[in-house]
This record gives sequence, C-alpha cells and structure tokens, in this order.
Amino acid sequence: ILNVEQSPQSLHVQEGDSTNFTCSFPSSNFYALHWYRWETAKSPEALFVMTLNGDEKKKGRISATLNTKEGYSYLYIKGSQPEDSATYLCALPNQAGTALIFGKGTTLSVSS
Amino acid sequence: KAGVTQTPRYLIKTRGQQVTLSCSPISGHRSVSWYQQTPGQGLQFLFEYFSETQRNKGNFPGRFSGRQFSNSRSEMNVSTLELGDSALYLCASSLDSYNEQFFGPGTRLTVL
Repeated sequence: ILNVEQSPQSLHVQEGDSTNFTCSFPSSNFYALHWYRWETAKSPEALFVMTLNGDEKKKGRISATLNTKEGYSYLYIKGSQPEDSATYLCALPNQAGTALIFGKGTTLSVSS
Repeated sequence: KAGVTQTPRYLIKTRGQQVTLSCSPISGHRSVSWYQQTPGQGLQFLFEYFSETQRNKGNFPGRFSGRQFSNSRSEMNVSTLELGDSALYLCASSLDSYNEQFFGPGTRLTVL
C-alpha cells in the first residue's frame, strides 16, 4: 500500500510570512505527484502535477519542488495571505495507475 | 465546460438503510474516482472506474459498491448504513486516474 506522508499536520502563520510543507513518499516506482488545495466549503483543486526529478512548478506565490530520488516534495507559499488558508493535499498514483492516494494534508491558517 | 456534479448534496439516513450517490463527470473524462472524507482523516480512496470497469477498490467493506455507465456517469451505493459511514463523499473525474483530477462538490451523508 502506497504511503503518502505530509508534515506538519497544521500550521498557523501571520499574513506576510513565507511557509513551506513537506510531502514524503516511497522513492521506488515513482510516476507522478499531485498537489491540491482544499478551501473550506469548496472542492479540492489541483495546483500542480509533477513528474520529473528536480521539477519546479510555480503558480503566483505558490511553488513546489520535487525530489524523486529521496522521495519528497516541498510546497512553498511566499508572503502568505488570509486567502491562502486551506488544506494542502499531496497525492500519488498507485503503481497500476488506477488510484490516486492522498496524504492527510497540511492545514494552513493565515491570520491578518 | 461544465464541472463535475454530484447529487444529492446532502442526505440524512438512518442505520440499516441504503443510499445511492450520483456523480456526473466532465465531458470526455472516462475515469471517475470516489473518496470518503471523515474528520481527522484525509481523502480515503473508495474505488475508481474507467470505461464502465472498476479498476481498483480501496480498503472498504463490501457494503460499498459502485458502477459506471456508458456515458461515464457513476453511482456509488452503500448498503446497511452504519453510524461510521457519516462522511463527505467526493467524486473526481479525469482523463485517466493519474492525470489531474477535478472534484465535485461532494455529498454530505449523515447516518442517524
């Protein structure tokens, strides 16, 4: 069973702070890694799909890096804003590519 | 492009009853995945359908079942409901399960 670990479980920062969280996964049989943002009362939305070791993706103030050899990905938020408050989920497909397995997420709260 | 729709949005049932939830994917998406989310848990994978075939099932009892129709719409059924089945049930559609997934708004099931 694919084990996807995310840390920390929750995080509280002040507006303007930069922050980052981690997704850890088995480095063998890597295919792709997804990051999703899930805001309260909304549906999860994809941020990034990453496939190559060393990949870096950016969307506005949010960026992500991927290290498939050591089995981790970082998600960075620069200058956090209250609207960044959400749960950030990391997910990987299983080996057969027939299921997307999610970590438990990191819940970010940004105070103004 | 219309998004993923789920019906109903809210359901209240009593123990022992059964329930059917429906999911209409984005046009052209052949993969539909179902997830359960309970407090303190991440998104737990229920099953995935692709072109009317169940390709994978998560670690859930046989009371949880599903199907997919030729137009890619999917239903999931839970029989003999238990209190612990109270949860948010999300479906997601994609071109294939390892591609970016697009989530519906979810069905909030409460079992009394």
